[in-house]
Amino acid sequence: DQQVKQNSPSLSVQEGRISILNCDYTNSMFDYFLWYKKYPAEGPTFLISISSIKDKNEDGRFTVFLNKSAKHLSLHIVPSQPGDSAVYFCAAGHAGNNRKLIWGLGTSLAVNP
Amino acid sequence: GAGVSQSPSNKVTEKGKDVELRCDPISGHTALYWYRQRLGQGLEFLIYFQGNSAPDKSGLPSDRFSAERTGESVSTLTIQRTQQEDSAVYLCASSADRTGELFFGEGSRLTVL
Repeated sequence: DQQVKQNSPSLSVQEGRISILNCDYTNSMFDYFLWYKKYPAEGPTFLISISSIKDKNEDGRFTVFLNKSAKHLSLHIVPSQPGDSAVYFCAAGHAGNNRKLIWGLGTSLAVNP
Repeated sequence: GAGVSQSPSNKVTEKGKDVELRCDPISGHTALYWYRQRLGQGLEFLIYFQGNSAPDKSGLPSDRFSAERTGESVSTLTIQRTQQEDSAVYLCASSADRTGELFFGEGSRLTVL
């Protein structure tokens, strides 16, 4: 049973528009959430994180929203750029315990010029 | 190099053979992790090193899998008597400590025929 679910395997948006990637989790004990981005033939790279004590974290064009009651988080990219085209992984776990991160299957984002 | 380096990048082997995968973490990173990603699945934690010791081997799928780390640097993941279900991308990551951001290598793609 998947504890972290990314229900959309792929997403396509126009350059300049907003990209919204969604992630749902089942374990209410998770208190730390991350997004990683992966280009083909490369390892995942850290993008942004959020602690359960917050409901929003922003870093430039990237904002992560956390809705604990719904056990849902989302990554917003505004404005989307062609270079953002990649697979985005959501991961959840506990702060200070990297080895227990549970990963989603990823969403492939295509940003069209 | 500045990043996490893994070798080989691709390995094709016959069922029953042993394989060894290597990871060179970022210099000075004390924590090292091995993950695998099978086709259509999320990242799966295998083992965690803090220095040269492995306090968490809980993700190793069977006793055919083993890993070691020496000099608080290079790690090797060994799979004995490979099976077809071992086919996956094996990812190594390091972090400055057990709480820090994970930096991933490009992965070693293993195909067992």
